[in-house]
Amino acid sequence: QVQLQQSGPGLVKPSQTLSLTCAISGDSVSSNTAAWNWIRQSPSRGLEWLGRTYYRSKWYNDYAVSVKSRITINPDTSKNQFSLQLNSVTPEDTALYYCAAGRLNTFDIWGQGTMVTVSS
Amino acid sequence: QSALTQPASVSGSPGQSITISCTGTSSDVGDYKYVSWYQQHPGKAPKLMIYEVSNRPSGISNRFSGSKSGNTASLTISGLQAEDEADYFCSSYTSSSFAVFGGGTKLTVL
Repeated sequence: QVQLQQSGPGLVKPSQTLSLTCAISGDSVSSNTAAWNWIRQSPSRGLEWLGRTYYRSKWYNDYAVSVKSRITINPDTSKNQFSLQLNSVTPEDTALYYCAAGRLNTFDIWGQGTMVTVSS
Repeated sequence: QSALTQPASVSGSPGQSITISCTGTSSDVGDYKYVSWYQQHPGKAPKLMIYEVSNRPSGISNRFSGSKSGNTASLTISGLQAEDEADYFCSSYTSSSFAVFGGGTKLTVL
């Protein structure tokens, strides 16, 4: 049974970098069948897929067009986890952030969510 | 504005059936079999209920079923129970941005 445990700060100042980590148990971040995603949810934007990382003989990343210039998702094989970095945040980035695991086109398992507020 | 269109709310009485629609375009729902449905109770993370249009993950009741016609996917819940009251979201693969979600439908069990 795959489980995801999120960690990271709940408050980020405008223009700084939002950083979250998702620790994986029950599977490997290097799995050849899984994909590891970040998704956020806010009243104004609803559910928004941000990006993913996955391993298929080599590492791949896909990012949403809306954040592509500001986002990095990295796997950490030594700790079996993956991370989200979102640069130059504004109050519009305030949202509930989820990590999610699944196949390439589904989100089977979700983390517990982290509420991130962008405010000075 | 969400990429996929869902009704804001639906309701039904216990034991009845309801259907939630999810309308996209030929660039997402209409062109791919990768439509999923998620249930979200207040304060909880979404839960996968249907994947690839009509498949149920292990442990999901057969009261939940999915289908697709053209650019519209549908989630049907039969034999409504009080515990089904939640928000429901659809999502689809899209060639332009990999994954898009619907705005969500609030299901009220009367």
